[in-house]
Amino acid sequence: DTEVTQTPKHLVMGMTNKKSLKCEQHMGHRAMYWYKQKAKKPPELMFVYSYEKLSINESVPSRFSPECPNSSLLNLHLHALQPEDSALYLCASSQDEASGGDSYEQYFGPGTRLTVT
Amino acid sequence: QKEVEQNSGPLSVPEGAIASLNCTYSDRGSQSFFWYRQYSGKSPELIMFIYSNGDKEDGRFTAQLNKASQYVSLLIRDSQPSDSATYLCAVTTGNQFYFGTGTSLTVIP
Repeated sequence: DTEVTQTPKHLVMGMTNKKSLKCEQHMGHRAMYWYKQKAKKPPELMFVYSYEKLSINESVPSRFSPECPNSSLLNLHLHALQPEDSALYLCASSQDEASGGDSYEQYFGPGTRLTVT
Repeated sequence: QKEVEQNSGPLSVPEGAIASLNCTYSDRGSQSFFWYRQYSGKSPELIMFIYSNGDKEDGRFTAQLNKASQYVSLLIRDSQPSDSATYLCAVTTGNQFYFGTGTSLTVIP
């Protein structure tokens, strides 16, 4: 089973709203990721969690706030977003975070299509 | 120079033909290589991964890695219209996972 689930599938929010995206995996993976993808572009890495600790933050604005409550769950809290933040938000997981000579394939969830009005 | 480069296409092949997708990478120390398929509006789906020089086959798909020349390719045999999608190459270097910009493939019935 290589399933990563994400909720909601679609989200429309105003610039003053606060909302959260949720991601879950039950593969025992120790690394989880948030990506942002705009149309016709590759996914852009936002955050990496390894063993429930934030490992990488790719200089993401503070209006995006990640949280890893446990090894299976990853949240992305959204506040005061801008219209240019509208995109497909992808969660992924892998057995472990790549390091040195070891690297692991990432499995993606179906994504949340976010529209900021 | 980008870490991972792909020809954006579009690449068009007739049904039943072999589709050949190519990817080059800049860091000679890159250790792992992945191919993802992404249908329009959907998330990336892992097709193949390859770590060692040579070929790796899985059904109609073959990944080829040449570390000396720093390229990795994906061959799709007996292409089907359902293979029409964007194919993303991804490379791991150290603890970084880099995506190419993707190649759009259209299989014409």
